[in-house]
Amino acid sequence: DAKTTQPTSMDCAEGRAANLPCNHSTISGNEYVYWYRQIHSQGPQYIIHGLKNNETNEMASLIITEDRKSSTLILPHATLRDTAVYYCIAPSGNTGKLIFGQGTTLQVKP
Amino acid sequence: EPEVTQTPSHQVTQMGQEVILRCVPISNHLYFYWYRQILGQKVEFLVSFYNNEISEKSEIFDDQFSVERPDGSNFTLKIRSTKLEDSAMYFCASLIDRANTGELFFGEGSRLTVL
Repeated sequence: DAKTTQPTSMDCAEGRAANLPCNHSTISGNEYVYWYRQIHSQGPQYIIHGLKNNETNEMASLIITEDRKSSTLILPHATLRDTAVYYCIAPSGNTGKLIFGQGTTLQVKP
Repeated sequence: EPEVTQTPSHQVTQMGQEVILRCVPISNHLYFYWYRQILGQKVEFLVSFYNNEISEKSEIFDDQFSVERPDGSNFTLKIRSTKLEDSAMYFCASLIDRANTGELFFGEGSRLTVL
């Protein structure tokens, strides 16, 4: 897996956009960037993934820089329920195995 | 929405006892995984399973661990002789196929406490 670097923690006001950055400067051309989150001690939850183009789904948007060395996960209108640890992962190969780092703890505040 | 279900949600056992954690993956998924998370630490990969055999395992997955898919629906993790350091949340996950690599669906976990 390509090494990813994320800030340890971030705060966001409820209703505002949460922008979570991730650096993956060693990512190779065929490695996707995946985002998962873990609310409290629940099972990790898939959010979104992308290769080169920006992606959007009902949960979030993913902005990937043109050189693919970094990306940003955007939660457009954060709610208190979005408080969680967010993981940026760039798995190598196609085994489905994920290597979790420490992630970013996002605290959404009223 | 289909989901991965795990039982029990919490099990307390004595050191040295055998434990079996059960998982029902999503029905049309082909790849199965166990992960664990010791309290306050990272989620760690244990093992992946496909076509009735282990496809990859981590260093954590030693001879005390085994996995099985005894029928068409259940996927189990057995710890033969539990140690104190096996206390953790154990998460089962499934994947429909490798074309969707990374979109793992996780269960809510089984908390194992070894006394």
